Amino acid sequence: AQSVSQHNHHVILSEAASLELGCNYSYGGTVNLFWYVQYPGQHLQLLLKYFSGDPLVKGIKGFEAEFIKSKFSFNLRKPSVQWSDTAEYFCAVNADAGGTSYGKLTFGQGTILTVHP
Amino acid sequence: DAGITQSPRYKITETGRQVTLMCHQTWSHSYMFWYRQDLGHGLRLIYYSAAADITDKGEVPDGYVVSRSKTENFPLTLESATRSQTSVYFCASNLHGPSSTDTQYFGPGTRLTVL
Repeated sequence: AQSVSQHNHHVILSEAASLELGCNYSYGGTVNLFWYVQYPGQHLQLLLKYFSGDPLVKGIKGFEAEFIKSKFSFNLRKPSVQWSDTAEYFCAVNADAGGTSYGKLTFGQGTILTVHP
Repeated sequence: DAGITQSPRYKITETGRQVTLMCHQTWSHSYMFWYRQDLGHGLRLIYYSAAADITDKGEVPDGYVVSRSKTENFPLTLESATRSQTSVYFCASNLHGPSSTDTQYFGPGTRLTVL
């Protein structure tokens, strides 16, 4: 079964610091990869996604992620965080289960990011 | 553009009671999902539905029942609530399923407490 691991449960940064959140998955086949963000009191929103092509994916609000197939990783990055980036971040993986129309979306445990002004 | 709505947003109930959480989407998306969010576990899939009258179990289906008589609604019922079902429940939808390039949209969540 596929699984997703996010290395850090809670990350605390000051504004303007650089951010990298780790995400590793276990699945040997084709995967689709996602990062979602949940701002305090709000629902999950898609930050970015990778399906194919350029492994460096750019999302909203200055976030980007790099898919490294050999490392089974999809780390999220932002060069300079803002106080408004305070939120919980979830990595998710969908395994292309033999090309069927549905593959289970598996989420990581989440990483809480706190940015101090 | 209402998107996905969930009701109630907050619910407190007692052990053994039946509880139904409602989910409604206005996009006519084919696929709908129910997740629960628990500290340390992220989101785990409870049930999903590929279309009206087509549902299937996810990762943690025990103690839950779903139905999908209409495309836009996907209620989740806890037949006899237990304390371990205290959680935040999210409904989600997308048009072609998560294997497609569609984005999966999430509702605002229902915070359920079982005493």
